[in-house]
Amino acid sequence: EAGVTQFPSHSVIEKGQTVTLRCDPISGHDNLYWYRRVMGKEIKFLLHFVKESKQDESGMPNNRFLAERTGGTYSTLKVQPAELEDSGVYFCASSQEKAAISYNEQFFGPGTRLTVL
Amino acid sequence: AQTVTQSQPEMSVQEAETVTLSCTYDTSENNYYLFWYKQPPSRQMILVIRQEAYKQQNATENRFSVNFQKAAKSFSLKISDSQLGDTAMYFCAFMKPYTGTASKLTFGTGTRLQVTL
Repeated sequence: EAGVTQFPSHSVIEKGQTVTLRCDPISGHDNLYWYRRVMGKEIKFLLHFVKESKQDESGMPNNRFLAERTGGTYSTLKVQPAELEDSGVYFCASSQEKAAISYNEQFFGPGTRLTVL
Repeated sequence: AQTVTQSQPEMSVQEAETVTLSCTYDTSENNYYLFWYKQPPSRQMILVIRQEAYKQQNATENRFSVNFQKAAKSFSLKISDSQLGDTAMYFCAFMKPYTGTASKLTFGTGTRLQVTL
């Protein structure tokens, strides 16, 4: 079974440009999460989808970030326009939705390293 | 809100020796989950070990074990018989239990572990 995949693995853009990151979760996983790690800091939660709906977007830093999950499959995270402080590693994770158990293990993708110059 | 603190940015251990990584957390929840994730260089983050707060017994997974001190809000990871393949970034993480919807992870800043010959 394929794991969580992310594309691209690296992206270098200039300030003011637009970048779109993509995440393909494990097939059948209804939950999809985006996290970000700025260098030397903790991994921070950005948002959580359940299927195509945004369950929690409390971690989104500002309105330059737009996440979508059309059809409840893959997700995209667009940054427009990018700023220097957006540099970091963006992780995607997915988990099953199992109401009968008390927690759902999250499986992570390899991350996209974004550098804004 | 929950916080997770890892006070050791970097650690080094010789092969076959034992090392302990520290993690403390703060929460007002009584029931929750704690995790240690491992991210090897240029590879995906994977779950190493999980602890349920309502269980007094410390979790173990082969060479990996935890020392969970609920009252002290401490959750350290012990790696026995360290191997070169244990070289990685280790993240401590917290999660509230499933309450009708899956929960996000709250991470610490990570500890970079280097295993040397």
